[in-house]
Amino acid sequence: QKEVEQNSGPLSVPEGAIASLNCTYSDRGSQSFFWYRQYSGKSPELIMFIYSNGDKEDGRFTAQLNKASQYVSLLIRDSQPSDSATYLCAVRTGGFKTIFGAGTRLFVKA
Amino acid sequence: GAVVSQHPSWVICKSGTSVKIECRSLDFQATTMFWYRQFPKQSLMLMATSNEGSKATYEQGVEKDKFLINHASLTLSTLTVTSAHPEDSSFYICSAREGGLGPLYEQYFGPGTRLTVT
Repeated sequence: QKEVEQNSGPLSVPEGAIASLNCTYSDRGSQSFFWYRQYSGKSPELIMFIYSNGDKEDGRFTAQLNKASQYVSLLIRDSQPSDSATYLCAVRTGGFKTIFGAGTRLFVKA
Repeated sequence: GAVVSQHPSWVICKSGTSVKIECRSLDFQATTMFWYRQFPKQSLMLMATSNEGSKATYEQGVEKDKFLINHASLTLSTLTVTSAHPEDSSFYICSAREGGLGPLYEQYFGPGTRLTVT
């Protein structure tokens, strides 16, 4: 079992819709969770992090964490074509090492 | 904001030669630097973690004699790919951490170096 699992996609949504990205992790001792956006040929850029159960909102982005289910998600509201990218879920373990998922490719159709 | 640079941004080398990639923290002191490798359509795989003035800690399966890491100062770490082979062609990304270690430390990523070995 991979430590951090994501659906590779591609996930295609129309402009203005909500994009929902999901991630599961295997280490119950994981303490913090991150979502990164990566454009092709570029390095990742941090969108947001979450460490408490529940929702965390930042602009059009909402991260959701459920530690009991070992599940973290990212919602993107009012999706724009510029949101088209690969979204990486990253989990920081108890040893403070950051493990990345393989990413979900998102396409937002204009 | 914290900026991490990498040089070169891309490099092509012949099989059997060595290539050095530099990672610099421009406006902060990086107590720890991380080196990642990313193959097409795959995730970032952590290769090694280095603390300034200490030997790097390599992840399982990463050959320390092939991927030499030197973290000589708080603003510079280098990765040298020795005797490069075509299978070493990849996107190498460094990341730097400032300050104390805890679950919420922030990692700042460099722009990456595209290595192609012919």
